Amino acid sequence: EDQVTQSPEALRLQEGESSSLNCSYTVSGLRGLFWYRQDPGKGPEFLFTLYSAGEEKEKERLKATLTKKESFLHITAPKPEDSATYLCAVQASGYSTLTFGKGTMLLVSP
Amino acid sequence: EPEVTQTPSHQVTQMGQEVILRCVPISNHLYFYWYRQILGQKVEFLVSFYNNEISEKSEIFDDQFSVERPDGSNFTLKIRSTKLEDSAMYFCASSAGPENIQYFGAGTRLSVL
Repeated sequence: EDQVTQSPEALRLQEGESSSLNCSYTVSGLRGLFWYRQDPGKGPEFLFTLYSAGEEKEKERLKATLTKKESFLHITAPKPEDSATYLCAVQASGYSTLTFGKGTMLLVSP
Repeated sequence: EPEVTQTPSHQVTQMGQEVILRCVPISNHLYFYWYRQILGQKVEFLVSFYNNEISEKSEIFDDQFSVERPDGSNFTLKIRSTKLEDSAMYFCASSAGPENIQYFGAGTRLSVL
């Protein structure tokens, strides 16, 4: 059974204080690992897809990396508008289903 | 920018009643999905749909649930006889292919009383 564990569950940062979110996964064969952002009461908003170990993707203050067992979402100099829940999901080879973690709730204070 | 549209945004129903949740996927997408998120819990897969038939479903998607693409634009989730534990946010998603990015709608909050 595919499993995704995210840590920490919640993270509070000061504006400009960089940090990383962790996503550990077990999957029979990884097709892709996805990062989404979810604002309260809204649907997941796509951020990144990573397909193989060593791959990195960047978007503004966010950078996602992937190893064979985990992925990190690095947030550099965050701003209050980066406050959201960040979701990690895996897709196994041969399937279209996404298996999600519980997410990390990020709060960035001014 | 194309988006997935879901209606209604909030549905309140009595236990035992039937509900239909509606979705308009992105127009050139071929794969459609329903997920749900119980308050404070993970987003969970329910069902995927391609070429007018179910391609994958989870254990949650039992005989009380059904999906349909009644016309060229809508994709619906029907819950035949709602239970209290069906209260959740229901998200529709669509993708161009099975390996492509899944884009999610804003969700329908279902409250079963």
